[in-house]
Amino acid sequence: AQSVTQLDSQVPVFEEAPVELRCNYSSSVSVYLFWYVQYPNQGLQLLLKYLSGSTLVKGINGFEAEFNKSQTSFHLRKPSVHISDTAEYFCAVSMEYGNKLVFGAGTILRVKS
Amino acid sequence: DVKVTQSSRYLVKRTGEKVFLECVQDMDHENMFWYRQDPGLGLRLIYFSYDVKMKEKGDIPEGYSVSREKKERFSLILESASTNQTSMYLCASTPGNEQFFGPGTRLTVL
Repeated sequence: AQSVTQLDSQVPVFEEAPVELRCNYSSSVSVYLFWYVQYPNQGLQLLLKYLSGSTLVKGINGFEAEFNKSQTSFHLRKPSVHISDTAEYFCAVSMEYGNKLVFGAGTILRVKS
Repeated sequence: DVKVTQSSRYLVKRTGEKVFLECVQDMDHENMFWYRQDPGLGLRLIYFSYDVKMKEKGDIPEGYSVSREKKERFSLILESASTNQTSMYLCASTPGNEQFFGPGTRLTVL
């Protein structure tokens, strides 16, 4: 069975600092990988996705993630965060195109001024 | 823009009541999903559907059922609500490559 581990439940960071949110997954087959963001009192919004091809994926709001097959990781990065990036971030994996997602527990990013 | 709507943002029910959570999408997506979200647990799949009148159990189906009579509508039913079903419920639909989420329904069972 697939599983997703987000290694940090909360990440505090100062504004304009870089940030990395870590995600590891377990699967013996090829997977599709996603990062979603949830702002307070809202649903989830897709940040970026890896389906195939280049292992460096660029998403919205200046975020990017790198797929590392040997380490089964898909860490999310941003070189300079803003207060408005404060939200909860979820990593998710799917084995089949259009199929169900398995989510990590989430990482709360708190950006401080 | 894809739009996924859920019938209520907040809902308060009593133990033992039958509860209906409605989800509607306007993009003719075939696949629809119901998740519950709890702090520290992320999102867990309750049920999903690949087509009208078709349903499959997710990871935590106990205490829930679903209905999909029309392609655009996917309903989650709590036959007899219990306090441990107090949670945030999120609906999603997909054309195949990413899931689009509704705003969620925060259900409190007293």
